[in-house]
Amino acid sequence: GDSVTQMEGPVTLSEEAFLTINCTYTATGYPSLFWYVQYPGEGLQLLLKATKADDKGSNKGFEATYRKETTSFHLEKGSVQVSDSAVYFCALSLNTGTASKLTFGTGTRLQVTL
Amino acid sequence: GAGVSQSPSNKVTEKGKDVELRCDPISGHTALYWYRQSLGQGLEFLIYFQGNSAPDKSGLPSDRFSAERTGGSVSTLTIQRTQQEDSAVYLCASSLLRANTGELFFGEGSRLTVL
Repeated sequence: GDSVTQMEGPVTLSEEAFLTINCTYTATGYPSLFWYVQYPGEGLQLLLKATKADDKGSNKGFEATYRKETTSFHLEKGSVQVSDSAVYFCALSLNTGTASKLTFGTGTRLQVTL
Repeated sequence: GAGVSQSPSNKVTEKGKDVELRCDPISGHTALYWYRQSLGQGLEFLIYFQGNSAPDKSGLPSDRFSAERTGGSVSTLTIQRTQQEDSAVYLCASSLLRANTGELFFGEGSRLTVL
């Protein structure tokens, strides 16, 4: 079945450090890929997405590139801030045409310290 | 409010009791989803609705779980004869039916603790 694997956390970084959170997927078709973020005390929200191979999604300084050859969608940010502390979820959708059912990874907690 | 609203935010119950969790989606969103987030695990899909019908119930873990949606709006997830392994955060999300963008709008969840 379809699945998403992401690196286990927690990831602890100092402010202004470079961030990479790895995500790989297994899917029978050609999925769209997403990163969702859950800040403390809030609901999940979409951070960025990419719908086809080689697309790059970006938002709030975060980027991820859809790599079909390595079935990966790693999340990166050049300089993290304390406010980026949250749980990050990688997800895929096979775009059934009538729904956007998502398959999520287990989440990676990021803690950024001063 | 403008977002997805869930209630209760916290529920503590005794094993064997029934519980109902409510979701009020964003107005105009015809698709509604229930997910479960257990400690140390990712989000587990439970069920989704298109309008009032549920074309995909594949994620419901047992026949103790059921959900309904009325008026194309509010949905209720019911867990009968709760067990300790049902303890989790139950998340509701909604989206435009044919947007097909993958963007789901999530509520803050209902945390269920079964003693």
